[in-house]
Amino acid sequence: EIVLTQSPGTLSLSPGERATLSCRASQSVSSSYLAWYQQKPGQAPRLLIYGASSRATGIPDRFSGSGSGTDFTLTISRLEPEDFAVYYCQQYGSSPRFGPGTKVDIK
Amino acid sequence: QVQLVESGGGLVKPGGSLRLSCAASGFTFSDYYMSWIRQAPGKGLEWVSYISSSSSYTNYADSVKGRFTISRDNAKNSLYLQMNSLRAEDTAVYYCARDGEDPHDYWGQGTLVTVSS
Repeated sequence: EIVLTQSPGTLSLSPGERATLSCRASQSVSSSYLAWYQQKPGQAPRLLIYGASSRATGIPDRFSGSGSGTDFTLTISRLEPEDFAVYYCQQYGSSPRFGPGTKVDIK
Repeated sequence: QVQLVESGGGLVKPGGSLRLSCAASGFTFSDYYMSWIRQAPGKGLEWVSYISSSSSYTNYADSVKGRFTISRDNAKNSLYLQMNSLRAEDTAVYYCARDGEDPHDYWGQGTLVTVSS
């Protein structure tokens, strides 16, 4: 079973700053099956990135994904006020698993 | 527009059963795999189960295998999760989600299941 680790647990930044979130897998993940989600309090998660680097429909281009093998990154180029949320990575092969999440909060 | 609406959550005693439903609209339901994902209070996301478009294939997380059953009725545009032998650790908000070429591209708002005596 693949275990995902996300770091840092919490990222404190100011609007306009760049956010870099890490997702590390215990074994290699096919890049075709790595996704990122955003969740705000009281809301359902929203798909941001799939296939490690493809933006989902309607997602602004300040969100980008990269990586391969066991190391993946979600980058938010310039934080907008609405971007402060929890972000989860997920491998969605035959037995999907989510990482524990990274909270991006306002510094 | 795509809509997913869960129902059937509530308070149930340990060892009890509950059936969740998810009503889908705004897309051709029979073309898509569907999933259930849950989130315990204050915790992260946990994938629970998925079902293929024609119901021919299902898969479950180890934590629910043998206790939960996923099913669908394409004529009614509905997804179901039958939950038996419920435990306190099954307490969570349960989301249904659509799975296309993008994973979990649309989510419902969730239904809360509380397992407590």
